Amino acid sequence: GAVVSQHPSWVICKSGTSVKIECRSLDFQATTMFWYRQFPKQSLMLMATSNEGSKATYEQGVEKDKFLINHASLTLSTLTVTSAHPEDSSFYICSATPRDEQYFGPGTRLTVT
Amino acid sequence: SQQGEEDPQALSIQEGENATMNCSYKTSINNLQWYRQNSGRGLVHLILIRSNEREKHSGRLRVTLDTSKKSSSLLITASRAADTASYFCATDDFGNEKLTFGTGTRLTIIP
Repeated sequence: GAVVSQHPSWVICKSGTSVKIECRSLDFQATTMFWYRQFPKQSLMLMATSNEGSKATYEQGVEKDKFLINHASLTLSTLTVTSAHPEDSSFYICSATPRDEQYFGPGTRLTVT
Repeated sequence: SQQGEEDPQALSIQEGENATMNCSYKTSINNLQWYRQNSGRGLVHLILIRSNEREKHSGRLRVTLDTSKKSSSLLITASRAADTASYFCATDDFGNEKLTFGTGTRLTIIP
């Protein structure tokens, strides 16, 4: 089956610092990956579409300068939360689509203190 | 918001009973997918049903799709304690890989 990994699985950082989250497709190539955010007891909300070799496409209301996305290769996309604040604390999940089904990484829990 | 609605929001049943969750969506779709999420974990893909399909089975799972009503249901038969999780439906915009998730149903199986 298709496997998507994320690193780190959890991170605690101080307010004002930046955090990078990696999303890798382990057994397939992904020209497109997606980044979602999930607050406690809520559903997933799409933040952006990561396109290999080009700029990410951000959903309405998502600050592209705050959430930097780099899709440097066909197996790796990174999300950098810049100048993180406590309200950025959330569960961040990436996904990729080898076929029709979308496969999700295990998620990264970010806590900003 | 284009987010789909799921009902019930929460469901508690005895082990061995069947669990039914419903999902409604708003736009035309290519397919609809169901996912399971254990607390604090990633999503596990359960089943995909295409817009031209009406019913699909996978083990103890049965999914129906009614595109005229823009709704889907997920039935889990003979529930087990390990089925305790949140269940989400997700639809793709027609011709687009982006997924829109429903609000989710929190299912608790009581041993």
